[in-house]
Amino acid sequence: EDQVTQSPEALRLQEGESSSLNCSYTVSGLRGLFWYRQDPGKGPEFLFTLYSAGEEKEKERLKATLTKKESFLHITAPKPEDSATYLCAVRPGGGADGLTFGKGTHLIIQP
Amino acid sequence: DGGITQSPKYLFRKEGQNVTLSCEQNLNHDAMYWYRQDPGQGLRLIYYSQIVNDFQKGDIAEGYSVSREKKESFPLTVTSAQKNPTAFYLCASSPFREDTQYFGPGTRLTVL
Repeated sequence: EDQVTQSPEALRLQEGESSSLNCSYTVSGLRGLFWYRQDPGKGPEFLFTLYSAGEEKEKERLKATLTKKESFLHITAPKPEDSATYLCAVRPGGGADGLTFGKGTHLIIQP
Repeated sequence: DGGITQSPKYLFRKEGQNVTLSCEQNLNHDAMYWYRQDPGQGLRLIYYSQIVNDFQKGDIAEGYSVSREKKESFPLTVTSAQKNPTAFYLCASSPFREDTQYFGPGTRLTVL
């Protein structure tokens, strides 16, 4: 069974304090790993898609990396507006078409 | 502006009633999806559709029904058979042969 585990469940940082969020996965043939940002009461906002181990993608203060077993979302010098829940999802190979999501990491950046 | 719209934003339903959630996209995406989000849980797939007039069950399809009569529309009906329908419902779409899914703003359904 495909599974995605995110850690920590919640993280509180001071503004400017860099850290990383973890996404561990088990999947039958990875077709893609996805990171989303979700604000309270809103739909997830797409951030990154990663396809193969060693791949990295960056956007402003965020950088996503991928290994064969996990992905990290590194946040550098965060600002209060980076506060959100960050979701990780995988798309298995084969015929399945939906995404399997983790429960998310709730990130709070204090000024 | 291109995007995905869901309506209504909030929906209240009495037990025993069927309700239909709307999802429309003007992105010319081929595939559309419905997910359900509950507190403390990851999003779970209800139904998906790759092309018009065709759709497939996801992991938690019981008590739900869908139709795909037009490429841009994928409405979800929550029937009275759904035992615990209170949740946040999210619609998504993706372009042909692309893996990334893009989400709408969601509909929060509450059963009174």
